[in-house]
Amino acid sequence: TQLLEQSPQFLSIQEGENLTVYCNSSSVFSSLQWYRQEPGEGPVLLVTVVTGGEVKKLKRLTFQFGDARKDSSLHITAAQPGDTGLYLCAGGRNTGKLIFGQGTTLQVKP
Amino acid sequence: GAGVSQSPSNKVTEKGKDVELRCDPISGHTALYWYRQSLGQGLEFLIYFQGNSAPDKSGLPSDRFSAERTGGSVSTLTIQRTQQEDSAVYLCASSPRRTSGDTQYFGPGTRLTVL
Repeated sequence: TQLLEQSPQFLSIQEGENLTVYCNSSSVFSSLQWYRQEPGEGPVLLVTVVTGGEVKKLKRLTFQFGDARKDSSLHITAAQPGDTGLYLCAGGRNTGKLIFGQGTTLQVKP
Repeated sequence: GAGVSQSPSNKVTEKGKDVELRCDPISGHTALYWYRQSLGQGLEFLIYFQGNSAPDKSGLPSDRFSAERTGGSVSTLTIQRTQQEDSAVYLCASSPRRTSGDTQYFGPGTRLTVL
């Protein structure tokens, strides 16, 4: 059973376009984290959101946690080739264990 | 070192052999996690340690998988009688505490290939 459904799984866009990645669940999480992973490396944390309705911005990236703390989104404005990579959402519970989505492979073409 | 390190970086083994994967967490981090990742996919939780004890082993796929942690530091994941379906990247992460929202710092992973 996949507790976190991430979509889309693959995304190929041109430089300058906007995109949104979604992470949905029927379960409530105490936190939601977004990671980015490059080939041959481990995931690197981008942001953690913990409050329902919370919005965080990191340069051209905007992260939102749903009001019910069951879903989240990542929006990238004016994507650049350097944004290419695997984006992973992960839901946390008080045990510290993370439940990961399937990942979104993003390719930004120059 | 400043980050989480894992060894070996790559391991190729024959079906039926045993393998040991090592993780050196960030110094002082009490929580340590093992995950498995198939090509281009999300991470599958295997086990986590708080200090030297493992309160949650629920993700271990079978009794061929075991892990230990000694001195509240280094951890070893052992896979006995490897099968082809065990082929994946095994990732280790550590965090200062075992609480939700804590950043988990990941190592580069060990790519295991079972022939």
